Order: sequence, then C-alpha cells, then structure tokens
Amino acid sequence: DGGITQSPKYLFRKEGQNVTLSCEQNLNHDAMYWYRQDPGQGLRLIYYSQIVNDFQKGDIAEGYSVSREKKESFPLTVTSAQKNPTAFYLCASSTLSRGAYNEQFFGPGTRLTVL
Amino acid sequence: AQTVTQSQPEMSVQEAETVTLSCTYDTSESDYYLFWYKQPPSRQMILVIRQEAYKQQNATENRFSVNFQKAAKSFSLKISDSQLGDAAMYFCAYRSALYGNKLVFGAGTILRVKS
Repeated sequence: DGGITQSPKYLFRKEGQNVTLSCEQNLNHDAMYWYRQDPGQGLRLIYYSQIVNDFQKGDIAEGYSVSREKKESFPLTVTSAQKNPTAFYLCASSTLSRGAYNEQFFGPGTRLTVL
Repeated sequence: AQTVTQSQPEMSVQEAETVTLSCTYDTSESDYYLFWYKQPPSRQMILVIRQEAYKQQNATENRFSVNFQKAAKSFSLKISDSQLGDAAMYFCAYRSALYGNKLVFGAGTILRVKS
C-alpha cells in the first residue's frame, strides 16, 4: 500500500535533549513537508523540501532541523533550542504539480511530549 | 503573506441536519486554490473538497459543498444530512497557484454531531 509513515506515534523527551521524528513515503513524491499542530492554531509549516539535498524554512523553523538525503525520507530533528516543543507533528508529501488536484497526503502524526 | 481565518472555534449540528462552516482568507493573488480538510479523532488529515479560484462554479462532493465568494474572499463549507462520522476538526487551507505548493491553514473548527 502506498502512503506515508511516521514513527514513533508517541515520543517523550527530557528537556535539553534533541529528538528525531521519522517520516517515510512510498508515493514517489518529490515534495515533503513538516507541520506542527497546536490547539487553536491549526497547522503551521516548519520545513519543506522539493528535491533531494535541498530544503527551505517554513514559518516556524527556529529550533528545528531537517535533512533530505533520500527522496523517500524527510526526518525532522527537534533540538534543545526549541523552547516549546510539546506538540503534534504531521508530515506530508505531494508531487510538484501546480494544479488543484495536486493534494498533500498526510502521515498519521507523532505526538511529542517534553517532560 | 496569505492568511486564513476560521472564526468559529466550535459548531454543533443535529444528525441529518445541515451545517455551514465559515472561512475567510486574505491574499493579493488572483490565482489560487482553496481546500477543506477533515481531521477526525484519529488525527489523520483527510481532504474533503477543493476549489480553484478561477472557477466560478462551487465545488461539490456528495454531501459536502462550498460557497466560494472570490470578491469577498470567503470559502464556506456546507455539510448536508450530517452524520455522526462527520464529527471532526475541519481546517480551511489556501495554496498559491504560482508560488510553490505550501498550504496555509486556518485555526480549525471543531464540529460536534448530536444524535
């Protein structure tokens, strides 16, 4: 089955630790995205990538880092510099087509809690 | 920068009744796409309906339809014959037709369906 997988589903981290969230897709999509979801704020874009070895900051990139070494994978690292990392993180992917029917497909998400 | 506003944090509807969720957006662009996403308790994001800004005809998908008012920058979602499975968080989203495939989301509306 084609789709997007995120792991783990739940993640706990102590303050001051870096943690990496996994995102893998087998849809052969060129573009991948990371969003953060907080109550009452909708989804906000952290980083996105349109091609291997290239990525761009979104609206809230501070305290996060990403890599895109393979087309299928786009891991997100939440660093100790992120002041309020407890949130729900969603990964998505899409083709690079500009048409309306190029929808973003979302993974099941990772809930990160800082203890 | 584009912004999307959903002014109704929560809405309730009786099963089999009709409900309308509001969304307004701000943009200086003339060509863009608008989307409604559903996020049920599982937190999996599901695309409900999409609208191309240059099309005057309102999009429909079974029980879901939109009222797209381009001049007013309004994009409401109407759900007819509401079902218990429609209970979810609904997000309105904007995507430029010219500048990348990033989505800008509203804060969301929680829809509760009463039996």
